Amino acid sequence: KAGVTQTPRYLIKTRGQQVTLSCSPISGHRSVSWYQQTPGQGLQFLFEYFSETQRNKGNFPGRFSGRQFSNSRSEMNVSTLELGDSALYLCASSLESFWGSPLHFGNGTRLTVT
Amino acid sequence: GESVGLHLPTLSVQEGDNSIINCAYSNSASDYFIWYKQESGKGPQFIIDIRSNMDKRQGQRVTVLLNKTVKHLSLQIAATQPGDSAVYFCAENRPWEGGSQGNLIFGKGTKLSVKP
Repeated sequence: KAGVTQTPRYLIKTRGQQVTLSCSPISGHRSVSWYQQTPGQGLQFLFEYFSETQRNKGNFPGRFSGRQFSNSRSEMNVSTLELGDSALYLCASSLESFWGSPLHFGNGTRLTVT
Repeated sequence: GESVGLHLPTLSVQEGDNSIINCAYSNSASDYFIWYKQESGKGPQFIIDIRSNMDKRQGQRVTVLLNKTVKHLSLQIAATQPGDSAVYFCAENRPWEGGSQGNLIFGKGTKLSVKP
């Protein structure tokens, strides 16, 4: 079974721009969740999607949004980029929920904002 | 604020020795805990989990211990190998106080370095 795939692996953007990251979950997994990883804050939960609906949300501003498609693939969008958005963005999938079960992570998208 | 933390940010061990990585959590309502391993350039990889109705759980060369009295979690790796060198995170499933399912809180991580 193929693992979680995230594209692109690296991105460089300028302040004020927006960016879209993509995640393909493991086949059959319906829950996709997103995380931001930085040296200072560590791993932080952004949000979770299940059946095309955002089901859970962490403490991030509205500039961070996402969506999920009928095939469970998910995208995350960050608008009006700030320097502090530079981070590794990780996507994870699980069968039914991000909560209460092990997660399968992709290798992330490294976003650099200049 | 409340967070999952780690007692030791770095740990260096000799190959073949046992490793113990510690984690403290602060929310007594949390009922599910997971350990992940993250190698350089990769995403976190699930190692082992434990629910709050258990004190101990064993996997292949790994054991997780949960002490709910002092809100402490530990990961023991037996016969540590060079391939075990990575950053290890604990994670805590913390219920929301209202609505939806809950939040997933990660520790900052402990870097394990195995000397051959």
